[in-house]
Amino acid sequence: ETGVTQTPRHLVMGMTNKKSLKCEQHLGHNAMYWYKQSAKKPLELMFVYSLEERVENNSVPSRFSPECPNSSHLFLHLHTLQPEDSALYLCASSRDMSEQFFGPGTRLTVL
Amino acid sequence: KNQVEQSPQSLIILEGKNCTLQCNYTVSPFSNLRWYKQDTGRGPVSLTIMTFSENTKSNGRYTATLDADTKQSSLHITASQLSDSASYICVVIPESGYSTLTFGKGTMLLVSP
Repeated sequence: ETGVTQTPRHLVMGMTNKKSLKCEQHLGHNAMYWYKQSAKKPLELMFVYSLEERVENNSVPSRFSPECPNSSHLFLHLHTLQPEDSALYLCASSRDMSEQFFGPGTRLTVL
Repeated sequence: KNQVEQSPQSLIILEGKNCTLQCNYTVSPFSNLRWYKQDTGRGPVSLTIMTFSENTKSNGRYTATLDADTKQSSLHITASQLSDSASYICVVIPESGYSTLTFGKGTMLLVSP
């Protein structure tokens, strides 16, 4: 266990559904991240939050909407996704942009 | 464009043997270079973190080296164990920050009995 939890671990949704991914860290970190990992592709950084403020948004489509209500929780709200959005979505946290601790990921399938 | 190339793409070795994984990068200047281990179905776990001024960093049976002149890094695994079977990912963090950090595709290592 890395101290970073993600729910759900698996999610299947249709293109018209709205769902949310949740991440929680118990490490006292002040930065949190969302990554996308597709098959046979490198990890892609999606969003970075530092001290609850979004500091990075790597040209992610608006159908992905992050939310960071406090330093321990991070959400990724999903709506009208496409089949190519199917991937493993990883959350990570760190202290001051240093070593990152990853959660186990949410395996998302969009039908 | 910043790139991180890892080789080999996949590798099979016998338990107890050593192996070396390679990472070539074009990111410059960079803040630090990291190696991660990712077990199937799990998130990556940090193995080593090196700044540009460090040449080598060890973590148990894992030893990472860095040559900033040739822009190459390697991860050496000694006396491999079955539990070393995983994907090993090289990540380069540029000085410009996280917006352009670059991950390699990883090397898939299988240690067979």
